[in-house]
Amino acid sequence: GQQLNQSPQSMFIQEGEDVSMNCTSSSIFNTWLWYKQDPGEGPVLLIALYKAGELTSNGRLTAQFGITRKDSFLNISASIPSDVGIYFCAGLTSSGNTPLVFGKGTRLSVIA
Amino acid sequence: DGGITQSPKYLFRKEGQNVTLSCEQNLNHDAMYWYRQDPGQGLRLIYYSQIVNDFQKGDIAEGYSVSREKKESFPLTVTSAQKNPTAFYLCASSAQTGLWEKLFFGSGTQLSVL
Repeated sequence: GQQLNQSPQSMFIQEGEDVSMNCTSSSIFNTWLWYKQDPGEGPVLLIALYKAGELTSNGRLTAQFGITRKDSFLNISASIPSDVGIYFCAGLTSSGNTPLVFGKGTRLSVIA
Repeated sequence: DGGITQSPKYLFRKEGQNVTLSCEQNLNHDAMYWYRQDPGQGLRLIYYSQIVNDFQKGDIAEGYSVSREKKESFPLTVTSAQKNPTAFYLCASSAQTGLWEKLFFGSGTQLSVL
């Protein structure tokens, strides 16, 4: 089946640093979604991307839909302690009639 | 407030026992989903329902059962046939029938085996 390769698996950063993570696939997706999961909670949708090349921001978060439609990137600027959690990417195919595919997540730790 | 409510937050299962996880939504969404999350793993789809009285198996349906008698409710039963049930279970919903799109998640139920 379709798979998303999300990297890095985990990262430790100092407060105030910028963070970058990405998802790649061998398949083309028409929608990319980025979620954040706090410990013991469900994922919350951060950003949705619908068009190749699209760059969308949500506060300190910026995500991009790769022009090949096979990848997406999430950047977090000036990290703060509450950025701690697991970040998941998810992709949707063009037809919309096959399930969302999720990456395995990037676990972010912020050192104050 | 509109949202998805999962209960209980923590659940313990004895050997050979069936347990049911509750999921209720008041978002008026047509579609509902159950995912399983293991440590260090992504989300794996158990079952989904895109309309009342209909549901489909996901990637790991064995040992689980669901029902969708009401639009707002999609309970998941973990049966005794599921030999490794310890995991974090997430319920989600989305607005449209027949079309996969962005999902909204509940806060999860942690199931453990005694």
